[in-house]
Amino acid sequence: GENVEQHPSTLSVQEGDSAVIKCTYSDSASNYFPWYKQELGKRPQLIIDIRSNVGEKKDQRIAVTLNKTAKHFSLHITETQPEDSAVYFCAANAAGNKLTFGGGTRVLVKP
Amino acid sequence: DGGITQSPKYLFRKEGQNVTLSCEQNLNHDAMYWYRQDPGQGLRLIYYSQIVNDFQKGDIAEGYSVSREKKESFPLTVTSAQKNPTAFYLCASSLVAGGTGELFFGEGSRLTVL
Repeated sequence: GENVEQHPSTLSVQEGDSAVIKCTYSDSASNYFPWYKQELGKRPQLIIDIRSNVGEKKDQRIAVTLNKTAKHFSLHITETQPEDSAVYFCAANAAGNKLTFGGGTRVLVKP
Repeated sequence: DGGITQSPKYLFRKEGQNVTLSCEQNLNHDAMYWYRQDPGQGLRLIYYSQIVNDFQKGDIAEGYSVSREKKESFPLTVTSAQKNPTAFYLCASSLVAGGTGELFFGEGSRLTVL
């Protein structure tokens, strides 16, 4: 089955700096890669996703890049703010029509 | 007010007892999912259902059971066969099946087995 690895597990950045989270996947048939944000005590919510027919997608301060050949994708957050502090999960779809999630990255933005 | 509702929010049970977690959605979504969240392990799929009266095992189905008798409901039973049931359980739904649509999560149920 699909295996999704996510790094780093924790990330501390200074407010205003950039944050990058990387994920690798194993199933070359995967074609959908979403990112979810879970604030403390709240439910995960989709923040951005990318499909295999594009290499990059941006939405204001967040962007996702995909390298299908290397089977990895990354989340980039620029100009980080305190409200970006949360746990971020990457995911990839797999055979059987299901999503497999990475282990999560706890991001702390220090003021 | 549309959404996905889980209950109870907190649940304590004695070892050896079965427990059922409720998940209801009024979004008219076809697909529903149960995930387990443990610290540092991300979200692991327990069971999922793409249509009424049908469901499939996820990656960690042992010790769990589900039913999908109605489109809006997908209850999860944690049985006594689950060796480490203490965890945070998240239910989710998506408009379409296939693993390529946005998941909408409930607020979760925290189960503690004493």
